[in-house]
Amino acid sequence: RKEVEQDPGPFNVPEGATVAFNCTYSNSASQSFFWYRQDCRKEPKLLMSVYSSGNEDGRFTAQLNRASQYISLLIRDSKLSDSATYLCVVNLYSGAGSYQLTFGKGTKLSVIP
Amino acid sequence: EAGVVQSPRYKIIEKKQPVAFWCNPISGHNTLYWYRQNLGQGPELLIRYENEEAVDDSQLPKDRFSAERLKGVDSTLKIQPAELGDSAVYLCASSLQAGLAKSGELFFGEGSRLTVL
Repeated sequence: RKEVEQDPGPFNVPEGATVAFNCTYSNSASQSFFWYRQDCRKEPKLLMSVYSSGNEDGRFTAQLNRASQYISLLIRDSKLSDSATYLCVVNLYSGAGSYQLTFGKGTKLSVIP
Repeated sequence: EAGVVQSPRYKIIEKKQPVAFWCNPISGHNTLYWYRQNLGQGPELLIRYENEEAVDDSQLPKDRFSAERLKGVDSTLKIQPAELGDSAVYLCASSLQAGLAKSGELFFGEGSRLTVL
């Protein structure tokens, strides 16, 4: 089983739609979780952290289920500018002050006019 | 403030040739990473530096890849000789060492796109 798994998509949704992405991780000792966004031919950028209690940032909601080792990202009222690849990222403490960030393959979203 | 700077942006070489990529991290960031991203994949870590020390190079193919960060600031990643399968985007990133666990924020450069013919 891969460390971080995502549905690659693509998800093609109309403007204004709500879309959700899921991500599963294999290492139950993973400590922190993030969503990154990567535009076509650009570098990844941090979108938001994922907290155990769930967290919201405008139209974006992230949730974590540690028991199921599952992370989600919900985007409401999709905009054309949301079109990008969304990378699920898991952070594992590997001892001696070291952390290991593992990226999923990403889920591609296309928002259609 | 300047972000992570990488060069060259694009490089096309023939197989068996050497190639080098350069990265200058954000000022004050102790931790520097080299990732490789293949088409349709997420970034995969090649090597991580804490200051000038390589603390995780387990995924670096050491037969042909080498990296250095001599003064704990900028870094160079070299491939010699390059193979067809090395075609990818090589991303450099940096972070504040203490902040990584909480913020998870890596700052990436724009990447160096390598094509091996």
